[in-house]
Amino acid sequence: QQKVQQSPESLIVPEGGMASLNCTFSDRNSQYFWWYRQHSGEGPKALMSIFSNGDKKEGRFTAHLNKASLHVSLHIKDSQPSDSALYFCAVMSNYNVLYFGSGTKLTVEP
Amino acid sequence: VTLLEQNPRWRLVPRGQAVNLRCILKNSQYPWMSWYQQDLQKQLQWLFTLRSPGDKEVKSLPGADYLATRVTDTELRLQVANMSQGRTLYCTCSAGGDSYEQYFGPGTRLTVL
Repeated sequence: QQKVQQSPESLIVPEGGMASLNCTFSDRNSQYFWWYRQHSGEGPKALMSIFSNGDKKEGRFTAHLNKASLHVSLHIKDSQPSDSALYFCAVMSNYNVLYFGSGTKLTVEP
Repeated sequence: VTLLEQNPRWRLVPRGQAVNLRCILKNSQYPWMSWYQQDLQKQLQWLFTLRSPGDKEVKSLPGADYLATRVTDTELRLQVANMSQGRTLYCTCSAGGDSYEQYFGPGTRLTVL
């Protein structure tokens, strides 16, 4: 069964700083990777997907995938207080099943 | 635009009592419906994916027993029994297939009395 490990558990960055979140996964056949964000009291919402090796940039957010090293990461540039939330990496496997990491609590301090 | 409605949004559950949850799909373009649980440590775990009306599945996990039913094309139900620790249940929908986004509902938060 797919195992997804996420780090760090929590992260504090100053406003305008860079936040970097990391995940490793166990199944070498995995193809579809997602980052979800969850604000307090809400359901998770997809932030971005990445399916090919390399970088994918969407605004201030950049995802990086290296399937050979079983690693996916998310980098948030120019962090804002509104980015403070719980972030999850997720790997899609076995027909619509998302396997989630344990989450990173990001706090952006003004 | 809200894709999923869940009710109730929260419930206090006396120990040993079962509770019934409901999820309504508001857009038929996303017919693959699933249930996920989020425990008190915020870990998210897939429970079921039910694609067709009439589909039923059961599962026992640490802390709760589940019975899921796809009632119609737009309604999913979940019965939670023998719950020993609180949790939040989310239903999701997607267009189907592994490369499609899964959209989460607002969740039902269950607390054990």
